[in-house]
Amino acid sequence: QVYLQESGPGLVKPSETLSLTCTVSGGSISSYYWTWIRQSPGKALEWIGYIQYRGSTNYSPSLQSRVTISVDMSKSQFSLRLASVTAADTAIYYCARAGDFYYGLDVWGQGTTVTVSS
Amino acid sequence: QSVLTQPPSVSGAPGQRVTISCTGSSSNIGAGYDVHWYQQVPGTAPKLLIFGHTNRPSGVPDRFSGSTSGTSASLAITGLQAEDEAEYFCQSYDISLSGWKVFGGGTKVTVL
Repeated sequence: QVYLQESGPGLVKPSETLSLTCTVSGGSISSYYWTWIRQSPGKALEWIGYIQYRGSTNYSPSLQSRVTISVDMSKSQFSLRLASVTAADTAIYYCARAGDFYYGLDVWGQGTTVTVSS
Repeated sequence: QSVLTQPPSVSGAPGQRVTISCTGSSSNIGAGYDVHWYQQVPGTAPKLLIFGHTNRPSGVPDRFSGSTSGTSASLAITGLQAEDEAEYFCQSYDISLSGWKVFGGGTKVTVL
C-alpha cells in the first residue's frame, strides 16, 4: 500500500515562498506522475502541477510563473515551491499520484493546510 | 468559475438513485478526454471513485457508476446510503488550457 504524506510550514507570510514536501512510502516513486493539488476554503479542487519520475514537469497556466515542482528519487520525495504568495494562496495542499498523464489520481496524501498571513 | 459545471447539490432518501451531471465543452469532455470522479468526505482527502468514464477502482461499490455522452458526463449512485453523503468532483482535460487538467466545482450529496 502506497502512502503519501505532506509536510511543511502551516503559516507563510505574504510575498514569501511556500515550500512543501511529499514523502512517498510503501512503494516506488518511479513510473508515476506526482501531482500537487490545492483546495481553497469551501471551494473546488485546483490542479497546481505534476512532475514525472524522469523529471519532466507541467504546471497550471495560472500558476506557472510562480511554481516549481522537483523530485528527489533518493529520498522518495517530491516538493512544491510557490513564490510570491498572497492570501489567495491560502488552501489545503494535497499531493497525489497518477499512473499516467490521462489516468485518475489514485493515491492521495491527507493534505496540509497552509495559511498566508502576516 | 470551473471549466466543468456541476450542480451545487443533490439529495435523496436512503435507497434512492441520484445522478450528478458534469457539463463540459468540445475542448474537454467533448474532445474525448477521459472523465474521472472523486468522492470527498468532509475533513478528508478526495478518493478516486470512477476512472476512465466508467471504471471503478478495487473496493468501490458497484452502486457507483459513470457514463459519458457528448460534452457531458454523469455519476449515478443507486441504493443511496448514509455513508454516501459527501462532495463529488468530476475531472477531465482541456485542450484550450494547454492540455491542462480541470475539475468540476463539486456537488454535495445529502442523504435525507
